[in-house]
This record gives sequence, C-alpha cells and structure tokens, in this order.
Amino acid sequence: DAGITQSPRHKVTETGTPVTLRCHQTENHRYMYWYRQDPGHGLRLIHYSYGVKDTDKGEVSDGYSVSRSKTEDFLLTLESATSSQTSVYFCAISLSGRSFGTEAFFGQGTRLTVV
Amino acid sequence: AQKITQTQPGMFVQEKEAVTLDCTYDTSDPSYGLFWYKQPSSGEMIFLIYQGSYDQQNATEGRYSLNFQKARKSANLVISASQLGDSAMYFCAMREGLSYNTDKLIFGTGTRLQVFP
Repeated sequence: DAGITQSPRHKVTETGTPVTLRCHQTENHRYMYWYRQDPGHGLRLIHYSYGVKDTDKGEVSDGYSVSRSKTEDFLLTLESATSSQTSVYFCAISLSGRSFGTEAFFGQGTRLTVV
Repeated sequence: AQKITQTQPGMFVQEKEAVTLDCTYDTSDPSYGLFWYKQPSSGEMIFLIYQGSYDQQNATEGRYSLNFQKARKSANLVISASQLGDSAMYFCAMREGLSYNTDKLIFGTGTRLQVFP
C-alpha cells in the first residue's frame, strides 16, 4: 500500500471555525491532490500541488486554501467552515504529470462534519 | 462543462454475468489518460485499469477490460464473470494535457454496481 496518511480521520466542528486537514506521504511523489466526495457528485478536485510551494485550484476551490512546505505534507484549510463543507475529504498522490498512465493513490479519507 | 459523464447512477448484475459501466469524456487535448477506480463500502479507492489516448489496443486487467472508442469519446468498463465482491461504486477519471503543471485528475459522479446471487 502507498504510504499516505490523512489526519484526522473524523472531525466534527462548528460553523465559522477554522479547520486544517493533513495529508502525509512517505512515497516522495511529486503530485498531491485534495478531493471532496459527496453523494451524486463523485469526487471533485479542490486543490492540487505539483511541487513544494506549487499549488493550483481545482473545480471547487472556493472556501479552501492549501499549503505545501515539504514534499511529504499537503495541508487543506477551511478558513471558516460552513455546513456545505460537510463531506468526506480524500488526499491522493501521483508520481508524475508527464506520464499519463501513472495512477493516483488515495488516502483513507477524512469525514468532516460542520454543525 | 462536465468533463467526465457517467450516466448510470446504479446497475444490477447477476453473479457470473458480464456488465458494462458507461463513461464518456470531453476533451480537446489529443493526449490524455483514462482511469477506472473502485470504491467498496469500506471507502478506499482502488485503481483498476488505465487507457492512454494513443494506445492502439483496449486495456485489460484480469476480469476488467476497457472498451475504448476514441471517436465517440467513450471509455466503458467491462467486468466479466461478476462476483459478489464486485459490488461497489465505480468511478471513471481522466487526466489530460501535456503541460508539466497540468496534472488534474478529474472524476465522474460514479456508478453503484450491485451484484446479486
């Protein structure tokens, strides 16, 4: 199994509070992604990173920010959580953007509930 | 615009039968890759199969095969000899672009497959 660890695995937070989810990898993969999964929407890309301090927006980036100060860590921050951000969040890693056939490996997911 | 379309929210198949899960995609880039992932009820994402836009033959991995019709922009997953353990959510995904920084992996909404005895 790819070495990807998401923390926390479960979190309940109140509306308006900041929340940070962490993705840690031991594979030295260049690309890291954050997705959210909601019923009827599949997995939607929030942000991704193609290197240390190099990040870009995905499909649903509003209300989220990310940081990657080290190859192994990719942080997702909800600056002020809202109920619409209740979801399951997945982190994924991938070796290289030059090789289309390189699959992404996923973490176990973080279930976030905003009350 | 939806880049990956999976029109079947749910599918049923009897054990040992074959089933096809549909996926159509939208891209103007000549270079792209298509993936299928399985998500069982436990929640983990499992990579199944990959097809490159320039691959001449349809990809196969054991009981999984990808029916790639480039002109129709479809990449259907075929599961042969279904097993009860195949019951899961299945996602089609696409990676497009040759740009060094463009490595977005975009997913469809998924198809829930249920295999019955």
